[in-house]
Amino acid sequence: SAVISQKPSRDICQRGTSLTIQCQVDSQVTMMFWYRQQPGQSLTLIATANQGSEATYESGFVIDKFPISRPNLTFSTLTVSNMSPEDSSIYLCSVEDRTDYGYTFGSGTRLTVV
Amino acid sequence: GNSVTQMEGPVTLSEEAFLTINCTYTATGYPSLFWYVQYPGEGLQLLLKATKADDKGSNKGFEATYRKETTSFHLEKGSVQVSDSAVYFCALRKGGNQFYFGTGTSLTVIP
Repeated sequence: SAVISQKPSRDICQRGTSLTIQCQVDSQVTMMFWYRQQPGQSLTLIATANQGSEATYESGFVIDKFPISRPNLTFSTLTVSNMSPEDSSIYLCSVEDRTDYGYTFGSGTRLTVV
Repeated sequence: GNSVTQMEGPVTLSEEAFLTINCTYTATGYPSLFWYVQYPGEGLQLLLKATKADDKGSNKGFEATYRKETTSFHLEKGSVQVSDSAVYFCALRKGGNQFYFGTGTSLTVIP
């Protein structure tokens, strides 16, 4: 299975600021996925990031709020912009694992906005 | 549309008790079904999966059988341990790259 390094693991941020989350994969992957897990809730897909093209955002998520970069086949970043307390969540990146047909997830970034 | 419904928690069990976490799904055709586990402070880990009807996924003593007739994928373990305390997510994948996750069931196992 792919191994994903995600950082930071947690952060406490002031409202109005931005935080960039990084995901590094130990193998080349075509697509990377960004999820949000709000407190006590399940995972919601934010966007799909393909190398060399604009990310595809799910309904309710926009590029101005969650800009994504995908400079190569092993790395992606998600920025949470102009944060408010409602953005307090766990953010996870994931990739498809072709060896077992599942997805591999990063360890998550626990974000608290104060 | 596609969706997953899993039993609400939290669930608290004594060590060595039998565990069942119910999961049912709604989907057209033949989705693949998964159980993920999230230990405290960590990301999701794939626990087991089944890709077609009547398949049984198993791992670490956990089992789940893909039942198309009842659209279910219940998670079971015969004897839970304190180290099994985590949040368990049922999920389905129906083509493409979109996963549909249940809301998660928190399990606490007490000695």
